[in-house]
Formats: sequence, C-alpha cells, structure tokens
Amino acid sequence: SAVISQKPSRDICQRGTSLTIQCQVDSQVTMMFWYRQQPGQSLTLIATANQGSEATYESGFVIDKFPISRPNLTFSTLTVSNMSPEDSSIYLCSVEFSGGYNEQFFGPGTRLTVL
Amino acid sequence: KQEVTQIPAALSVPEGENLVLNCSFTDSAIYNLQWFRQDPGKGLTSLLLIQSSQREQTSGRLNASLDKSSGRSTLYIAASQPGDSATYLCAVGSNYKLTFGKGTLLTVNP
Repeated sequence: SAVISQKPSRDICQRGTSLTIQCQVDSQVTMMFWYRQQPGQSLTLIATANQGSEATYESGFVIDKFPISRPNLTFSTLTVSNMSPEDSSIYLCSVEFSGGYNEQFFGPGTRLTVL
Repeated sequence: KQEVTQIPAALSVPEGENLVLNCSFTDSAIYNLQWFRQDPGKGLTSLLLIQSSQREQTSGRLNASLDKSSGRSTLYIAASQPGDSATYLCAVGSNYKLTFGKGTLLTVNP
C-alpha cells in the first residue's frame, strides 16, 4: 500500500473561481486517477494521469474544466475550473502500483463546496 | 459499458450478526474486483481484492467471493460490530479502470 495525502482537505469557494487539488504519494507510482463523488452518489472516474503523458479523460469530463498535471511519479494536481454549485463534491485521487494486481489505493479526499 | 449494482442499499443489524452484502456487474470481462469501506466524509479504505482467477479472499472477519461467469460478488462479514458501520463499495476493474457501485450503508446497532 502507500500513504496518500491530499490538499486541501476541504474548501468553500465562490462560483466562477478555480481550485487546484494536490495529491502526494510517499512512493513512486505508475498510474494515478482522479475521481468525483457527488453528494449521495458513488465514485465516478474523471481521468487517468500517467507521468510523461497527457491525462486521459472519461466521457463527460473535459480538460478545459478539469486540467490535470502529473509532473513526476509521486505527485499530481487536479484543477476544477470556473466552478458552479454543481461541482460541489468530494474529489479523490487514487494510485495503482505496477505489478500490484491493479489494486487501487485512495487518498482521504477533498470536500469542495461551491456557493 | 460496465454497470455495477449493490444490494441492499442500506442494512441495519444488531451487533453480533453475520451479514452478506451483494454486488453484481454486467460485463464479466474483468481483471479484478475490490471491496472498499468508506466512513462518512472520508476517503476509501481497501478491504479485499479478488483477482479474476480467484474465487474468494479472506481478511479477518471478512470474506469476499467472486463468480465471474454470473457477474456476482458477495462480501460476508462475521460477528458484526458497531465499528463496522460504514458504506461498503464494490468496484470492478475492467478496461483499465474501476467502476463503482452505489454502495451499501451498513449500520450495526449495539
């Protein structure tokens, strides 16, 4: 497993602004993922972020709205741009180790409220 | 498109009971299945991982089974405790991603 941290743990933002969420892992990982969990719902994959390549976005999510960076093997950021109240969710990052049976481990999440 | 269903949506049991949570998926072309626990407002804790070639996995009081051909998995919790109260999520690994069910909210009453 791994120790995964996210910053901030929670935030309250005004509509029209942007927030960048950081995900830090204590060891090198090949694959990192960003998920959204809307109130009362399960997790939905936003994108897969591999170091050295562009993020791969799932249907319904676009880079202009959710730009992602993956500068190295232990760190990634997700930006939620031009926020609206519909973006109020918990955002979670997860990691998958190469050769680790595709098991994913999750960070503690960032609870975002947009007013 | 993979779809994952969890039944029941909510379950309330007295302490000490054995219980079963159910998960079904539509596409049997999976490489693994994970069971997670989520406490209110928190991230996910991985409980058990079953590879597609495996039938079951055990960890302490937890036992998960997988029947890939029928698209089903069960999570068995023995001798439930109030500390087991949480939402339990089933996630299926296929097409290089996890697809989650909506979860079962478990309440264990002292």
